[in-house]
Amino acid sequence: QKEVEQDPGPLSVPEGAIVSLNCTYSNSAFQYFMWYRQYSRKGPELLMYTYSSGNKEDGRFTAQVDKSSKYISLFIRDSQPSDSATYLCASGGGNKLTFGTGTQLKVEL
Amino acid sequence: EAQVTQNPRYLITVTGKKLTVTCSQNMNHEYMSWYRQDPGLGLRQIYYSMNVEVTDKGDVPEGYKVSRKEKRNFPLILESPSPNQTSLYFCASSSSGRADTGELFFGEGSRLTVL
Repeated sequence: QKEVEQDPGPLSVPEGAIVSLNCTYSNSAFQYFMWYRQYSRKGPELLMYTYSSGNKEDGRFTAQVDKSSKYISLFIRDSQPSDSATYLCASGGGNKLTFGTGTQLKVEL
Repeated sequence: EAQVTQNPRYLITVTGKKLTVTCSQNMNHEYMSWYRQDPGLGLRQIYYSMNVEVTDKGDVPEGYKVSRKEKRNFPLILESPSPNQTSLYFCASSSSGRADTGELFFGEGSRLTVL
């Protein structure tokens, strides 16, 4: 079993939709949770960072962590074509960061 | 501009021909790391370095070597490349000194094909 599982998609939504991206993790020691965004032919870049359980909001993006169910979510409101990318969840603890396989998102006009 | 620079960006080589992928960062970061990205497998860590002269294995170190003689540079060495090392490689650095507690800054990637 992979330590971080993520549905690869692809996911296609119309512009303006609310997008929900999800991951699960198995290691109870993980304390740090991140979402990276990767555009085609580019390196990943940090989008959201949370520590332990709870919600964190940044503009149209909300990251949610539920440690009791080992569930990580990213919500995108009012999605835009510029949000089309691959989204990677990552979880870590003890100097180890494990990435999910990424979900490919396309936001269509 | 703060950045992580990798070279070459694209490389086609043959089995057994030694190659080096260079990585340089201009952010004075202590922590640097190499990842490979493969379809269905995601990003997997090859090696990491917490500071100069200190390196350690990640999840998939077989067939790779690294060295960290200066803070800014962290080259990845494939002594005898094989076709299963065909992949997209990313170098990353972090200001936090660890992979899990801070932002990782990634290079733009090096696509390697081993024939």
